[in-house]
Amino acid sequence: DARVTQTPRDKVTEMGQEVTMRCQPILGHNTVFWYRQTMMQGLELLAYFRNRAPLDDSGMPKDRFSAEMPDATLATLKIQPSEPRDSAVYFCASGSSGRGNEQFFGPGTRLTVL
Amino acid sequence: LAKTTQPISMDSYEGQEVNITCSHNNIATNDYITWYQQFPSQGPRFIIQGYKTKVTNEVASLFIPADRKSSTLSLPRVSLSDTAVYYCLVGDMTGTASKLTFGTGTRLQVTL
Repeated sequence: DARVTQTPRDKVTEMGQEVTMRCQPILGHNTVFWYRQTMMQGLELLAYFRNRAPLDDSGMPKDRFSAEMPDATLATLKIQPSEPRDSAVYFCASGSSGRGNEQFFGPGTRLTVL
Repeated sequence: LAKTTQPISMDSYEGQEVNITCSHNNIATNDYITWYQQFPSQGPRFIIQGYKTKVTNEVASLFIPADRKSSTLSLPRVSLSDTAVYYCLVGDMTGTASKLTFGTGTRLQVTL
């Protein structure tokens, strides 16, 4: 049963520290998304990649956030430096272009910045 | 950018049919309409997707009128386990500049 995996599942860190979240998309999927979910803002699209190329990262604070796909099996989202307002659940999702909006979500990384 | 509007919450009794409507007046020609379900502490899960008319699968039906400015997710005979948040998503991830926006979602509460 193919699934999107994310690590870590939970992360508690102090303000100013660097945070790296990792995602392994489903093998064969060529589109990867990063979302952030909070009670106040709901689900927000931060960035997405197709065939490892970034297509849209306009939802991401550029000064502290960065997203990359070093290879087809790994996507990373980095926050440096982290701030308390970054506390949220970060989801990675993958899909195949040509299948509309059918995305498969990972379990998420719950980030707490103190 | 197709913004969506859904009811914030709905209540239902077990065994009833539930219909959740989503408005998307600015839907683009290439956009699909997709519904997701989310349980607490989990990522959203794909339920059903359509482009026009009606789509049915083993868990739900999706009704889309000819103008495509709205859609209705129909859950037949809900059970307690259907208590979740349901999101309508409009867009097309094959587009180079598409921005997929989840709405606020509809919180469905099913009781006995």
